Amino acid sequence: DIQMTQSPSTLSASVGDRVTITCRASQSISNWLAWYQQKPGKAPNLLIYKASSLQSGVPSRFSGSGSGTEFTLTISSLQPDDFATYYCQQYNSHPRTFGQGTKVEIK
Amino acid sequence: QITLKESGPTLVKPTQTLTLTCTFSGFSLSTSGVGVAWIRQPPGKALEWLALIYWDDDKRYSPSLKSRLTISKDTSKNQVVLTMTNMDPVDTATYYCAHRHETITAGDYFDLWGQGTLVTVSS
Repeated sequence: DIQMTQSPSTLSASVGDRVTITCRASQSISNWLAWYQQKPGKAPNLLIYKASSLQSGVPSRFSGSGSGTEFTLTISSLQPDDFATYYCQQYNSHPRTFGQGTKVEIK
Repeated sequence: QITLKESGPTLVKPTQTLTLTCTFSGFSLSTSGVGVAWIRQPPGKALEWLALIYWDDDKRYSPSLKSRLTISKDTSKNQVVLTMTNMDPVDTATYYCAHRHETITAGDYFDLWGQGTLVTVSS
């Protein structure tokens, strides 16, 4: 199985901050990576696919980059609605695997 | 518009078999490239992929749970069913089904999810 490791596990930030979350794969996954946002009590919501492609309807302050084994999700200017938990997920091979999540908290 | 909704028992006893149904609309599981996955999330923990069924009835399972899982589809009813045997309290989680979106250039990922259903395993 491909292990996905996110850092940090928790991130404290303020509205307007630039936020970066890192996701590392235990082996190369090319750019077959998705990012999801999850709010308490809700299902995950797709933000980014193929490492850097923005899902329709997702604000442009979200962006993704990386390939191979290292990836980042960046929020250019954190908004109140962005306080949530973020997960990366590889779809290079089965079984599909998720990172452990990064919780973005209010500072 | 694609929607998915999970249904099933909210409480099961240890050793029992869990049967969950994902009822969907807005797409057909007989269409080439389509798939539906099950993913779970224990309270306060991360997401865990369980199984995926494709339009051609190909099936993939989490290796760690493969012996306990069965995924099937009923195309005429627009449903996907997941069964998990020998339930244990550690299987307490919210169970989600999700639509697999595939394109040649972007691969396949889960673009739409159901609301999830919380299953508690307790005697």
